[in-house]
Amino acid sequence: KNEVEQSPQNLTAQEGEFITINCSYSVGISALHWLQQHPGGGIVSLFMLSSGKKKHGRLIATINIQEKHSSLHITASHPRDSAVYICAVSSGNTGKLIFGQGTTLQVKP
Amino acid sequence: NAGVMQNPRHLVRRRGQEARLRCSPVKGHSHVYWYRQLPEEGLKFMVYLQKENIIDESGMPKERFSAEFPKEGPSILRIQQVVRGDSAAYFCASSPIQRSHNSPLHFGNGTRLTVT
Repeated sequence: KNEVEQSPQNLTAQEGEFITINCSYSVGISALHWLQQHPGGGIVSLFMLSSGKKKHGRLIATINIQEKHSSLHITASHPRDSAVYICAVSSGNTGKLIFGQGTTLQVKP
Repeated sequence: NAGVMQNPRHLVRRRGQEARLRCSPVKGHSHVYWYRQLPEEGLKFMVYLQKENIIDESGMPKERFSAEFPKEGPSILRIQQVVRGDSAAYFCASSPIQRSHNSPLHFGNGTRLTVT
């Protein structure tokens, strides 16, 4: 079993839909990161969380430390949101990341 | 204020050749991480370096791979005698000195290595 599990693996949505991507982890963490990767492109850090909730534009990230679970929400989804979304956790004292397998999101117009 | 710069973006090597991947962190950042993304797989940690020191290389293959982050200049990931299984995207990330362990990471655009 992977230390970081994401669901779903693949997600197709219609433009405007509300999207949720889930992440569960089994290790102790110092922070959880949500990352975005476009095909053939680089990786962009969307959020870093250690508790509670953060919002940036149409993106919202929440974390429940007790349940070892985080969610990434996208409101009013748009085709340009199509990308791979990756959950990663910082574990230990070096800051290195353990990654989930990623969720491939396609938003259709 | 440039972000993390990786070069080359694409690198093609024949089996047995050496590959050198370079990473210049964000100005002022002295912590560098290298990650590898194999085709159809998730990202995996390789090595964590601070200036002139390897802090954690637990994700590095034991042979053919080495990394350095000299006092001056970029961090280098070196792969000797490449094999087809080394074909992957290699990403570098950096973080600032003061809050290295829980700082948002800045990623480069990656180097896509193809071994023919």
